[in-house]
Amino acid sequence: EIVLTQSPATLSLSPGERATLSCRASQTIGASLFWYQKKPGQPPRLLIYDASYRATGIPARFRGSGSGTDFTLTISSLEPEDFAVYFCQLRSTWPPYSFGPGTKLEIK
Amino acid sequence: QVQLQESGPGLVKPSETLTLICTVSGGSFTTSHWAWIRQPPGKGLEWIGYISHSGKTDYNPSLRSRVTMSVDTTKRQFSLKLSSLTAADTAVYYCAGDEALGAFGVWGQGTMVTVSS
Repeated sequence: EIVLTQSPATLSLSPGERATLSCRASQTIGASLFWYQKKPGQPPRLLIYDASYRATGIPARFRGSGSGTDFTLTISSLEPEDFAVYFCQLRSTWPPYSFGPGTKLEIK
Repeated sequence: QVQLQESGPGLVKPSETLTLICTVSGGSFTTSHWAWIRQPPGKGLEWIGYISHSGKTDYNPSLRSRVTMSVDTTKRQFSLKLSSLTAADTAVYYCAGDEALGAFGVWGQGTMVTVSS
């Protein structure tokens, strides 16, 4: 079973700053890595699919990168609405779906 | 545009079985994997399982002994049964769809389920 870890657990930044969130897989996974944004009281929103492709309607300030075991979500210039929890998710043979523990992006 | 809506009880007793239904409107019902995902208070997301329109299922190994999912294509619904409930099953339960991306692009709003006597 492939395990996802995310770092940091909490990231404190100010609007306008650049955010870099990391997701690491315990084994090589190719590019089947996805990112979600989760706000309180709302369902998760898919941001990035296949490691680097923005989902429909996602602003260009969100960028996904990486392959193999190390993946990064970069938010180039934080807007107030970007402060949320971010989860990475793996699509694999088994289990078919799994999530990382999340990174909380909070306002500094 | 696909929309999902969960329905079911908000409060269930320990040891009982939870039944949730997700109704899918719009879009295609046959091209997706339909999943249940939960988030306990203050914790992360946990994939519970998925079912295809043909009824193929896969469950999280940690929950497999207690989970049953089914699908009704005529009603465009799929359901989750989770048995032998404990307080640890208290969570917001989401239904979601993977439209062949490998990720969940569509989600219900979620339903809070509390397990308590």
